[in-house]
Amino acid sequence: AQTVTQSQPEMSVQEAETVTLSCTYDTSESDYYLFWYKQPPSRQMILVIRQEAYKQQNATENRFSVNFQKAAKSFSLKISDSQLGDAAMYFCAQEDTDKLIFGTGTRLQVFP
Amino acid sequence: GAVVSQHPSWVICKSGTSVKIECRSLDFQATTMFWYRQFPKQSLMLMATSNEGSKATYEQGVEKDKFLINHASLTLSTLTVTSAHPEDSSFYICSASHPGQEIYEQYFGPGTRLTVT
Repeated sequence: AQTVTQSQPEMSVQEAETVTLSCTYDTSESDYYLFWYKQPPSRQMILVIRQEAYKQQNATENRFSVNFQKAAKSFSLKISDSQLGDAAMYFCAQEDTDKLIFGTGTRLQVFP
Repeated sequence: GAVVSQHPSWVICKSGTSVKIECRSLDFQATTMFWYRQFPKQSLMLMATSNEGSKATYEQGVEKDKFLINHASLTLSTLTVTSAHPEDSSFYICSASHPGQEIYEQYFGPGTRLTVT
């Protein structure tokens, strides 16, 4: 079975600083999709960024970027210029036969 | 666009009763909907995949007779928790795939908190 691992239960960052959240996964597929979702206190899941495995270029969405290392099966999320509104649970997810497999999540705290 | 709603947002029911949760895609037709369960401070666990007009596909370990899923139309899927017990208390989240995009592109509802007393 596919697994997604987030080894950091909690992270904290100072406002305006940069933080990186780690994620590793396990798959035998060569083509797949990876995602980072944000879940704020409202519990609404919000897609932050996605990466297609066949694309070598790392995905970027404004202050959010990923470091995708396919051989190492690593997919980290970098948040630049952190804002108070970035405080939330962040889940890494991998697409597996049209389903999403989620990691255990990282709680991000942002301090002013 | 691509808005998914859930109703109710919070429900309390007595042990032994059944409760129905609705998931609607408001501005698109969803051929596939997914139901997840999330325990406090834990991840989302996929319970079942629901395709319009056909029986739901349940994940291993999920009791299909306890968690009844119906996807009768392209905009509505329902999850009925039958004979609910306190251990069924959880946060239930649905998502829907937009037909214009790949099935893995899921849009999530705001979730339903179920408390069984």
